Amino acid sequence: ETGVTQSPTHLIKTRGQQVTLRCSSQSGHNTVSWYQQALGQGPQFIFQYYREEENGRGNFPPRFSGLQFPNYSSELNVNALELDDSALYLCASSFPGGMGSPLHFGNGTRLTVT
Amino acid sequence: DQQVKQNSPSLSVQEGRISILNCDYTNSMFDYFLWYKKYPAEGPTFLISISSIKDKNEDGRFTVFLNKSAKHLSLHIVPSQPGDSAVYFCAASKDSGGSNYKLTFGKGTLLTVNP
Repeated sequence: ETGVTQSPTHLIKTRGQQVTLRCSSQSGHNTVSWYQQALGQGPQFIFQYYREEENGRGNFPPRFSGLQFPNYSSELNVNALELDDSALYLCASSFPGGMGSPLHFGNGTRLTVT
Repeated sequence: DQQVKQNSPSLSVQEGRISILNCDYTNSMFDYFLWYKKYPAEGPTFLISISSIKDKNEDGRFTVFLNKSAKHLSLHIVPSQPGDSAVYFCAASKDSGGSNYKLTFGKGTLLTVNP
């Protein structure tokens, strides 16, 4: 069974640039969520994708956007990067079964904005 | 407004003893609670969960207790082992079904188990 994989593992960008992070969900999982974990904080929900549509969004501006593909993989795009966007970005996959299907996280992409 | 709070940033325990990690929440709509463990350079790993219709759930060395009236839950690890040393996150959800599954996390507690 293949777990959640994310790429790249580390990334350095300049303020104002755009970035795309990628995620392959665990085999058989059709729901993908993205979380941002700032230093010293817990993960914060960005949004979730189910059947290729956004299905729930946290308190993040529109410059954070995403995609889910037919094979359930996903992308997180961030435009007009700001210094505060520096964080660990975590992708998680699950079945859409609520309590019976906890999120399975990847190891994350560490984004540094300078 | 932090809806899930882990007030102890760190906890140190001797091997073989009990580790108790605490978590408080403010949103009475939360109905499902989870604990995740995170090692450095890895993503969070699911540990154990509890529904609001229960007050206790046990899985091997790990037990989670839920006190809804106090809006408090705790994770007990008995006996603690050095490999348990990690950051533990408490998380909560107000969606007990369906495909909308947003988790609200606490800031985490760093557990160190000393040999």
